[in-house]
Amino acid sequence: AQTVTQSQPEMSVQEAETVTLSCTYDTSESNYYLFWYKQPPSRQMILVIRQEAYKQQNATENRFSVNFQKAAKSFSLKISDSQLGDTAMYFCAFMSLDSNYQLIWGAGTKLIIKP
Amino acid sequence: DTGVSQNPRHKITKRGQNVTFRCDPISEHNRLYWYRQTLGQGPEFLTYFQNEAQLEKSRLLSDRFSAERPKGSFSTLEIQRTEQGDSAMYLCASPPPLLGTSGGMSSDTQYFGPGTRLTVL
Repeated sequence: AQTVTQSQPEMSVQEAETVTLSCTYDTSESNYYLFWYKQPPSRQMILVIRQEAYKQQNATENRFSVNFQKAAKSFSLKISDSQLGDTAMYFCAFMSLDSNYQLIWGAGTKLIIKP
Repeated sequence: DTGVSQNPRHKITKRGQNVTFRCDPISEHNRLYWYRQTLGQGPEFLTYFQNEAQLEKSRLLSDRFSAERPKGSFSTLEIQRTEQGDSAMYLCASPPPLLGTSGGMSSDTQYFGPGTRLTVL
C-alpha cells in the first residue's frame, strides 16, 4: 500500500523568505501523480501544484516549485518570497492510477509566515 | 471558489442521531469522491462514484455509513447512529472526466468543496 510522510508538523518563516516543505512517499507503481494542496484556516482545500511521475522536469507555478526525486521517492515544495497569505496547512498527496485515482495524503505541515 | 458546494457547512448532533450531508459537484463532472479529515490529520478516502455507480468503498466506511449519487448529479453521505468518533470534516471532491480536460482543469486533479464539519456530542 502507498504511504505519504510529511516529517515537519510545523514550520515558521519570516515574510519574503524562502521555505521548503518535505514529503516522501512509498509506492511500487511507476506511473502516478503527486500534488501539494493548501488548506488555509477554516477554508477549503486548494491545489498548489501537481507533478506527473513520468515527467523529469520539476513543476513550477509562480512562487511555488517542487523538487521531484523519483528514485528517492521525494517530493518537496519550495515557496519563494513567502507572503502572509501563504499561512496554511500544506498537504502532500499521492494519486494512484491503479486505485480509481484516489488520493493518499500525508499528515500535513502547518506553515506560519510571520510579518 | 472551485465550483463544488457542500451543505451544511457545519452540523452539530447528539450521539445516536442520523445525519446527512450533500455535495454538489461541478456540472458535467461524472466522478465524485468523499474524504474524511479528522483534526490535525490529512484526509482519508471514503468512497468514489463514477456517474451514479459507487465503484469503491474504503474499509473506513462502516455499515453505519451510506453514500448515494442518484442520477449521477449531487451526492449524499448519511451516517446513522452517530458516534463521537465520527466527528470530523467531510470533504467532497470533483475531478473532470477522464480522457482530456474540462475548462482548463486536468482530469487527474481533484477540486474540493468547503467541507461539512460534523461535531457529535
